[in-house]
Amino acid sequence: AQKITQTQPGMFVQEKEAVTLDCTYDTSDQSYGLFWYKQPSSGEMIFLIYQGSYDEQNATEGRYSLNFQKARKSANLVISASQLGDSAMYFCAMREGLQGAQKLVFGQGTRLTINP
Amino acid sequence: ETGVTQTPRHLVMGMTNKKSLKCEQHLGHNAMYWYKQSAKKPLELMFVYSLEERVENNSVPSRFSPECPNSSHLFLHLHTLQPEDSALYLCASSQRGGINGDTQYFGPGTRLTVL
Repeated sequence: AQKITQTQPGMFVQEKEAVTLDCTYDTSDQSYGLFWYKQPSSGEMIFLIYQGSYDEQNATEGRYSLNFQKARKSANLVISASQLGDSAMYFCAMREGLQGAQKLVFGQGTRLTINP
Repeated sequence: ETGVTQTPRHLVMGMTNKKSLKCEQHLGHNAMYWYKQSAKKPLELMFVYSLEERVENNSVPSRFSPECPNSSHLFLHLHTLQPEDSALYLCASSQRGGINGDTQYFGPGTRLTVL
């Protein structure tokens, strides 16, 4: 069974609009971490935001926020006031267990295109 | 240099060649990773090194051979590859016990083409 599901292969958004990228996950662990990464065409995976399973508040980092709904097992990324430079692939990932050198499981990704 | 660097950025090799990919992290981390990103597939973990010991080998064919001589350097030695091994190879590092749940920081990747 797929552990990370991103149902939107592609999204097109007007500049300055907010955008929500969907991510649902599947785990039986109580302790886990959820991550979002951005991958521009250059290939580098850029860390955006992290949410721990025990964190009560939704994570925020600048224009990025993570809408964490534990009961629904969803961890959607919200980008406010989108910019042309936000155009990229976005990946949701999960690490089971809170810490340690453990593997990340990635979703298929969503290609976001910001139109001027 | 800052962050995680990878060399070369692009590599074209024949199936009989032997080559190596290099990764160096300048973040003081103690865990390093190799991932493979093929077209239309999610990133796949290949190897994990923690404190210079390999802790995971994700059923990777023996034609891929990792080496971690110290906590800052990671190599991936390649020999007798197949065309289906063509992919983007990403290196990452993290700090065990670090903030943000041991976030992994990635390098820019090596785009490998096997002819």
